[in-house]
Amino acid sequence: DAEITQSPRHKITETGRQVTLACHQTWNHNNMFWYRQDLGHGLRLIHYSYGVHDTNKGEVSDGYSVSRSNTEDLPLTLESAASSQTSVYFCASSEATGTSNTGELFFGEGSRLTVL
Amino acid sequence: RKEVEQDPGPFNVPEGATVAFNCTYSNSASQSFFWYRQDCRKEPKLLMSVYSSGNEDGRFTAQLNRASQYISLLIRDSKLSDSATYLCVVNSWGKLQFGAGTQVVVTP
Repeated sequence: DAEITQSPRHKITETGRQVTLACHQTWNHNNMFWYRQDLGHGLRLIHYSYGVHDTNKGEVSDGYSVSRSNTEDLPLTLESAASSQTSVYFCASSEATGTSNTGELFFGEGSRLTVL
Repeated sequence: RKEVEQDPGPFNVPEGATVAFNCTYSNSASQSFFWYRQDCRKEPKLLMSVYSSGNEDGRFTAQLNRASQYISLLIRDSKLSDSATYLCVVNSWGKLQFGAGTQVVVTP
């Protein structure tokens, strides 16, 4: 069965360290997204990609970067982790091509990051 | 003002009862709307799309009111397994905006 997986599922790191969260999908979806979820906020978009070598900033992109070297993977890197980046991170993919979006996102199980 | 707003709840509902809640959105040009369900410490999953004419999926009914800019979700004959957080999602030109969610707790 096709799926979307994230790793690590839990991570504790220190302020200033570089952290990379992996996201791998076998749906062969063009669109991939990274969100963070914090109490009292909806899911907020960090970065997204509509295809290989395409990356775009979302509403809360400062301090994060992504790269898309193939269809399956969209790793999220925190350049220098800050306590404000303590959150649950969700990767998602969708079937739509280009900038259209059916609205059906398939989410990974989430990565819980704590920055001390 | 947030672009998508929801009452956080919790809505405490006896098993078998009906519960309904709304979600308001600020962008009048939004094209499509969805309800997602999120169980505690799990990922969100699509529950249903919301169509202009309203739509049902089993015990769930979704409505859209474009004039007042809100969507609603009604759950009939609530089950214990309906306990979850329900996220409202609004699509504006390919950009999805998520509400913070409404928590529903169904009690025996």
